[in-house]
Amino acid sequence: QKEVEQDPGPLSVPEGAIVSLNCTYSNSAFQYFMWYRQYSRKGPELLMYTYSSGNKEDGRFTAQVDKSSKYISLFIRDSQPSDSATYLCAMSANVYGGATNKLIFGTGTLLAVQP
Amino acid sequence: NAGVTQTPKFQVLKTGQSMTLQCAQDMNHNSMYWYRQDPGMGLRLIYYSASEGTTDKGEVPNGYNVSRLNKREFSLRLESAAPSQTSVYFCASSDRPRSSGNTIYFGEGSWLTVV
Repeated sequence: QKEVEQDPGPLSVPEGAIVSLNCTYSNSAFQYFMWYRQYSRKGPELLMYTYSSGNKEDGRFTAQVDKSSKYISLFIRDSQPSDSATYLCAMSANVYGGATNKLIFGTGTLLAVQP
Repeated sequence: NAGVTQTPKFQVLKTGQSMTLQCAQDMNHNSMYWYRQDPGMGLRLIYYSASEGTTDKGEVPNGYNVSRLNKREFSLRLESAAPSQTSVYFCASSDRPRSSGNTIYFGEGSWLTVV
């Protein structure tokens, strides 16, 4: 079983829809949770960063962490065609940067927002 | 404002050939990383360098070597390429981890095919 599970999609929605992207994980030590966006033929870029449980909002994006269920979500309101990309969740037990602070990525969900 | 630059962008190798992927960052970051991205597997860490002069193995180091040439540059070498090394390779960098988080910046990727 993978430490982080993410539905690969593809997920196709009409413009203006609310999008929900999710990841589940098995390691209860994870405390730092991230969402990366990756456009086709590009490198991932950090979209949201959350520590521990709770919600974090940034414009049209909201990240939620439910540590009791080992479940994280990214919501996109008023989705736009420019949001079409692969969304990767990532998480670590400690602030990433050393031998024991491994960052684990999900496989990514491909999102297509239809105009 | 280049960020993380990696070369080449595309390469086709024959089995057994060697090559080096080059990476440079202009953000004065201490840590640098090499990942590979494969369908259904997500991003997996090959090697990383927490600071100039140090390198450590990641999740999938076999068949690769790295050199942290200076603070800016971190290269990845395939000594004897195998078809299993066909992948997209990403170089990344980050500053010192902080309690508020640790952002990893990725390059645009290098598409490598081994035939």
